[in-house]
Amino acid sequence: DAMVIQNPRYQVTQFGKPVTLSCSQTLNHNVMYWYQQKSSQAPKLLFHYYDKDFNNEADTPDNFQSRRPNTSFCFLDIRSPGLGDAAMYLCATSRQINQPQHFGDGTRLSIL
Amino acid sequence: QQQVKQSPQSLIVQKGGISIINCAYENTAFDYFPWYQQFPGKGPALLIAIRPDVSEKKEGRFTISFNKSAKQFSLHIMDSQPGDSATYFCAASKSAGNMLTFGGGTRLMVKP
Repeated sequence: DAMVIQNPRYQVTQFGKPVTLSCSQTLNHNVMYWYQQKSSQAPKLLFHYYDKDFNNEADTPDNFQSRRPNTSFCFLDIRSPGLGDAAMYLCATSRQINQPQHFGDGTRLSIL
Repeated sequence: QQQVKQSPQSLIVQKGGISIINCAYENTAFDYFPWYQQFPGKGPALLIAIRPDVSEKKEGRFTISFNKSAKQFSLHIMDSQPGDSATYFCAASKSAGNMLTFGGGTRLMVKP
């Protein structure tokens, strides 16, 4: 059974049109992460939540924002997607920081 | 600055052979070293991990070798199978609460 669930698996949006990706977890983990992964590259951390505390990576563009309304759900909002934002977006969770991370299967975002 | 260097970028191994992927790190504060396996269209899955208090960890056909003085660690896949064909990422993190730093990935193909 999937423990980190990402919806949708594939998302198509238009250039500049806001889009939201969602992630839910059944593990009751404290930490939730969002990564961006481009083709043939390693995942790149965008930000993470430790419980309700939001932590942004220094080089994450302002175009990317996140919400975590409760322990189980976390959202990635892209305010004005550009062509360069086309990628696989991965959600991960861990019980605590520096404990094993469990990844979802990602949402592949395409920009028209 | 790439803090975790992974090699080779791609690897072709015959069925039954040994696959070896190497990683080198720079930051001596790293103290947790996981390996992730990623199949196309899927999120990375934690395969095996090691902390620097041991020099080797084995789980089934997968072994991590760790050389603290050389700041290197490697993944060995014994009796490689076509089902092992995937992209493998090494990673490192610090116990002080910092995030995973991924290597660049190795695309492994095991030929029948």
